[in-house]
Amino acid sequence: QKEVEQDPGPLSVPEGAIVSLNCTYSNSAFQYFMWYRQYSRKGPELLMYTYSSGNKEDGRFTAQVDKSSKYISLFIRDSQPSDSATYLCAMSANSNYQLIWGAGTKLIIKP
Amino acid sequence: EADIYQTPRYLVIGTGKKITLECSQTMGHDKMYWYQQDPGMELHLIHYSYGVNSTEKGDLSSESTVSRIRTEHFPLTLESARPSHTSQYLCASSEYGQGATGELFFGEGSRLTVL
Repeated sequence: QKEVEQDPGPLSVPEGAIVSLNCTYSNSAFQYFMWYRQYSRKGPELLMYTYSSGNKEDGRFTAQVDKSSKYISLFIRDSQPSDSATYLCAMSANSNYQLIWGAGTKLIIKP
Repeated sequence: EADIYQTPRYLVIGTGKKITLECSQTMGHDKMYWYQQDPGMELHLIHYSYGVNSTEKGDLSSESTVSRIRTEHFPLTLESARPSHTSQYLCASSEYGQGATGELFFGEGSRLTVL
């Protein structure tokens, strides 16, 4: 079983919709959680970073961590065609440990 | 825009050839990484370096080798390429440990196809 599970999609929604992307994990020691966005033929770029539980908001993006359920989410409000990309979750138990990655969810925002 | 560059972006070669994928960064980061990414699969760490003359293997076994003679340069070499080496290779760097701030800066990747 993979340590981090992520639905590969594709997830297709109309422009302006609220998008919810999710990852589940099995290692209760994880406490650093990240979301990366990867456009086609580009490298991933950091979108959101959260330590431990709770919510973090940055513009149209909200990251949520529920450690009791071992579940993290990324919400995108007022989605735009430019948000079309693959979203990768990544997590780590310690600041010096390597990241464990999800396989990514492909998101398509239809104009 | 991250200042990390990979060449070549695309490479098609025959079995048995030796190849080197280049990676350079201008951010002065001590920590550099090589990841392998296949469609629909997780990123897997194949090599990392925490400074000059320091290299380690990652969690995914790889027949490639790396060197770190200069801070800014972290090339990956395959002595004898095989079709199983066909993949996308991503180079990244960070100022802190991977988990500390989560900020890995990635290059645009080198897509290798071995015939």
